Amino acid sequence: EDQVTQSPEALRLQEGESSSLNCSYTVSGLRGLFWYRQDPGKGPEFLFTLYSAGEEKEKERLKATLTKKESFLHITAPKPEDSATYLCAPTEGGGSEKLVFGKGTKLTVNP
Amino acid sequence: GAVVSQHPSWVICKSGTSVKIECRSLDFQATTMFWYRQFPKQSLMLMATSNEGSKATYEQGVEKDKFLINHASLTLSTLTVTSAHPEDSSFYICSAVPGGLGETQYFGPGTRLLVL
Repeated sequence: EDQVTQSPEALRLQEGESSSLNCSYTVSGLRGLFWYRQDPGKGPEFLFTLYSAGEEKEKERLKATLTKKESFLHITAPKPEDSATYLCAPTEGGGSEKLVFGKGTKLTVNP
Repeated sequence: GAVVSQHPSWVICKSGTSVKIECRSLDFQATTMFWYRQFPKQSLMLMATSNEGSKATYEQGVEKDKFLINHASLTLSTLTVTSAHPEDSSFYICSAVPGGLGETQYFGPGTRLLVL
């Protein structure tokens, strides 16, 4: 059973069209939930860490939120340069530092 | 800050040869480094956890004799793929955790391995 499910798998937006990406997780004993951005052929780039339900963090056009079972990455007025695969990774649970990566959401923003 | 490099960025080798990949934390010391493998259109799969000065901890199903990991210093970990075969062709990515600065993993740019 998957511990991390990201939806949608792919999302196409027009420039300026806001939307949200979802990450559902089932791990217990969460130490943190991480969001990364990955461009093709490159390593993931760190975006946010969320530690507790109700926490929110923002960076430019991105805002990440966390509940006990889900995290959302809200993208406001996206630009073509926001096109990438966004990966959600909660810690494994039970106090572990290991991350469990979702399959990601591939975001394409058309000009 | 928190820059991680990998070398080489890509490598092509013949079946049966060994390949070494280096992972360096450039501006911080990393007591823990992780090695991942990523197949096309798949997410990152953890291979092993590397702690400086101790043996690596491998994930279930990863052959420790095939994927040799050495974390000899606080800024360098190496992954050696021994007797590589075409099925080992993949994108290998390392990450490093700055000591004392929480648990955020900072990733290297990855190494593309093609075994012919």
